[in-house]
Amino acid sequence: GESVGLHLPTLSVQEGDNSIINCAYSNSASDYFIWYKQESGKGPQFIIDIRSNMDKRQGQRVTVLLNKTVKHLSLQIAATQPGDSAVYFCAENDTGGGNKLTFGTGTQLKVEL
Amino acid sequence: KAGVTQTPRYLIKTRGQQVTLSCSPISGHRSVSWYQQTPGQGLQFLFEYFSETQRNKGNFPGRFSGRQFSNSRSEMNVSTLELGDSALYLCASSIDRGPDIQYFGAGTRLSVL
Repeated sequence: GESVGLHLPTLSVQEGDNSIINCAYSNSASDYFIWYKQESGKGPQFIIDIRSNMDKRQGQRVTVLLNKTVKHLSLQIAATQPGDSAVYFCAENDTGGGNKLTFGTGTQLKVEL
Repeated sequence: KAGVTQTPRYLIKTRGQQVTLSCSPISGHRSVSWYQQTPGQGLQFLFEYFSETQRNKGNFPGRFSGRQFSNSRSEMNVSTLELGDSALYLCASSIDRGPDIQYFGAGTRLSVL
């Protein structure tokens, strides 16, 4: 039968604007969170991570905010560029030890010139 | 430093066959995880290996198996292939016990006919 793909929410922004991508996670006990960017035909590329003892972390042009009360993550990209166009995934790591990521469904970011 | 290398990049098999995929982690990384990516289910965790031992396992049938060698290289095997096994299989490596940043390879695209 025909497979139905996940519906990816899309965020369209103008070049130079700031982008905010949101993510709700499921496990209140998760202690490590990470954002990835995936371009067509490539594997996920690490952007930024944050541990549960923090609520904000900044990188180059990117900021991740963590709100544990409502189990919400956001990724902010400053001065969005055409090269930022991709699918963005948030992921949470299981607290059982080791590296075991549960991924969100992803958000398609489109940067308009 | 070379990134995560997965071979082959593309593979076509028929139902009932078996397949072995290979992953070479970043030099010095001891943890290797495998993920399946499909349009219908998104990115799903398969298993993680650390020091040649399976440390975590996802919710996949026993047809999916893996192993890790003493040099941290890993292989995953899928036996009795089904049409639904068509997917992008991604390998990720992490330096240590975790949770920590996982760096992904470009993946192996498996098509089952």
